[in-house]
Amino acid sequence: EAQVTQNPRYLITVTGKKLTVTCSQNMNHEYMSWYRQDPGLGLRQIYYSMNVEVTDKGDVPEGYKVSRKEKRNFPLILESPSPNQTSLYFCASSPLRYQETQYFGPGTRLLVL
Amino acid sequence: AQSVTQPDIHITVSEGASLELRCNYSYGATPYLFWYVQSPGQGLQLLLKYFSGDTLVQGIKGFEAEFKRSQSSFNLRKPSVHWSDAAEYFCAVGAAGGTSYGKLTFGQGTILTVHP
Repeated sequence: EAQVTQNPRYLITVTGKKLTVTCSQNMNHEYMSWYRQDPGLGLRQIYYSMNVEVTDKGDVPEGYKVSRKEKRNFPLILESPSPNQTSLYFCASSPLRYQETQYFGPGTRLLVL
Repeated sequence: AQSVTQPDIHITVSEGASLELRCNYSYGATPYLFWYVQSPGQGLQLLLKYFSGDTLVQGIKGFEAEFKRSQSSFNLRKPSVHWSDAAEYFCAVGAAGGTSYGKLTFGQGTILTVHP
């Protein structure tokens, strides 16, 4: 089944404790992206990747890192999480051109205490 | 920098009534434009998209949107709303080229409530 998977789905952590949210797609898509969703602010793009080893900043990259060593995986790294990073995170992917339909993962709800 | 504004945070309509959700964008050239829908507790689903050509685009679930360059708008419409259309709707603009190619900016969202 074609899908985007994220792990974990729910995470409670404490300030400063490094964490990684994994994202994997099995559709051989070139484009992958991370978003955070906060009430009243909609979705905001954190980072995106047009291809392996190519990543670019979205609108809210501060406090986040990403890597794209393989086409299928695009992990989101929070080196030192802070409470303002408490949010719902979505990973998405799309085929060769990014403007094609994006397939979204189920979301990861993160709480930073 | 690209940006999107959805002026209406919350809209309520009666079932069977027509619907128009507003979206205004800012971008230096012709952008890529999208409408997504998110049902409660769900991920996002693409309703329709505009890249070029005919300014009136048709999407899934009976939705359509019209690109108006002079007004920098991409409003979403549906002639007759069904109760199942209750959801949150997001407009998005994407860079069509240049150094920001691949960057996608969403609006704040419009929550649609449908009364029976």
